[in-house]
Amino acid sequence: DVKVTQSSRYLVKRTGEKVFLECVQDMDHENMFWYRQDPGLGLRLIYFSYDVKMKEKGDIPEGYSVSREKKERFSLILESASTNQTSMYLCASGTGPMNTEAFFGQGTRLTVV
Amino acid sequence: ILNVEQSPQSLHVQEGDSTNFTCSFPSSNFYALHWYRWETAKSPEALFVMTLNGDEKKKGRISATLNTKEGYSYLYIKGSQPEDSATYLCAFTAGNNRKLIWGLGTSLAVNP
Repeated sequence: DVKVTQSSRYLVKRTGEKVFLECVQDMDHENMFWYRQDPGLGLRLIYFSYDVKMKEKGDIPEGYSVSREKKERFSLILESASTNQTSMYLCASGTGPMNTEAFFGQGTRLTVV
Repeated sequence: ILNVEQSPQSLHVQEGDSTNFTCSFPSSNFYALHWYRWETAKSPEALFVMTLNGDEKKKGRISATLNTKEGYSYLYIKGSQPEDSATYLCAFTAGNNRKLIWGLGTSLAVNP
């Protein structure tokens, strides 16, 4: 059974904290993505990576960074958490230029207080 | 700017009704069109990926069609069941840049 696992389901952090969201996939996929999902705004791409140590900005990268040191792990970093980063964060992985079947993690509901 | 639009935004149907919804996408530089189902408290799950104009795909009571020349795809659900209640998302890939561009989804509620 294929798996994309996010490190936390729920997280509460304080404004200004550095926050790490971890994502691990066991399918040897080259592509990995971080999205945030907010009501009425759909899935918005923060960053993606299609190889180890490679990253590309998505549509809303400001305030975030990422790390991909190993193929199976893609970390999203909030350098200094702010209340407007309160959201549902979803990690996904896929393969090939078509992402033939992208698989999603269970999501992390982050609240910044 | 590449835009994916889905309609309707939400839909309420009775159990047993058949229903369909639309995804519109740019017809130029088309590469692939994806449909996902996202149930509450779960992760989005892939239903179909389609690449060729005229493609039709089917999974049980759910099917999808693709028209790349005019830039739309339809998702059909035959004989809706309460367990079909979910948000149905479509996503478009342009060229081969690996990014999925998502619509906002159609929220379907099936009343027993």
